[in-house]
Amino acid sequence: SQQGEEDPQALSIQEGENATMNCSYKTSINNLQWYRQNSGRGLVHLILIRSNEREKHSGRLRVTLDTSKKSSSLLITASRAADTASYFCAPQGAQKLVFGQGTRLTINP
Amino acid sequence: DTEVTQTPKHLVMGMTNKKSLKCEQHMGHRAMYWYKQKAKKPPELMFVYSYEKLSINESVPSRFSPECPNSSLLNLHLHALQPEDSALYLCASSQGVGSYNSPLHFGNGTRLTVT
Repeated sequence: SQQGEEDPQALSIQEGENATMNCSYKTSINNLQWYRQNSGRGLVHLILIRSNEREKHSGRLRVTLDTSKKSSSLLITASRAADTASYFCAPQGAQKLVFGQGTRLTINP
Repeated sequence: DTEVTQTPKHLVMGMTNKKSLKCEQHMGHRAMYWYKQKAKKPPELMFVYSYEKLSINESVPSRFSPECPNSSLLNLHLHALQPEDSALYLCASSQGVGSYNSPLHFGNGTRLTVT
């Protein structure tokens, strides 16, 4: 299916450490997007990487995409307490954007 | 604050009630979406509107009826819901669908409880 599968399902680290989340998918895509969701709120778009791109940066975020392995990773550097949230990858095909199961990230002060 | 506005924030309804969820965006986006999210689960796509026409219905039960009166508004009409329909309903918009490579902008959702 188009849905991404994320790993790990939960991640707990100390403030200041880096956090890495991985996403794998099975079908061809136009792009892959990453979103953050704070508890009970809507999703916030973080970064979009197109299928012909290999790496993209936005502030403390770094996303990689390997279309040959059908996988992506999200790296958050120098984590902060405010980064505590659920993170979802979303591979986008022709029309649909389907979300993975998500990684619940907890940053401990 | 989000640029997609959803009302109401919370809704409690009985199984025989009829209610509507509303969503509004003024970003000039031509695609709008309804997602349903249960606790600790990812959002699940329900409907996609592109240029005010329904382009995707993910086999959603007919007790959920979407409507797109114009390019800025999206409604979800609810009738004869079941308790298992209780969830967070999220609206989103984007410049276009699929090949547009455009991100989704989400509202903060309506928390629906069916009693």
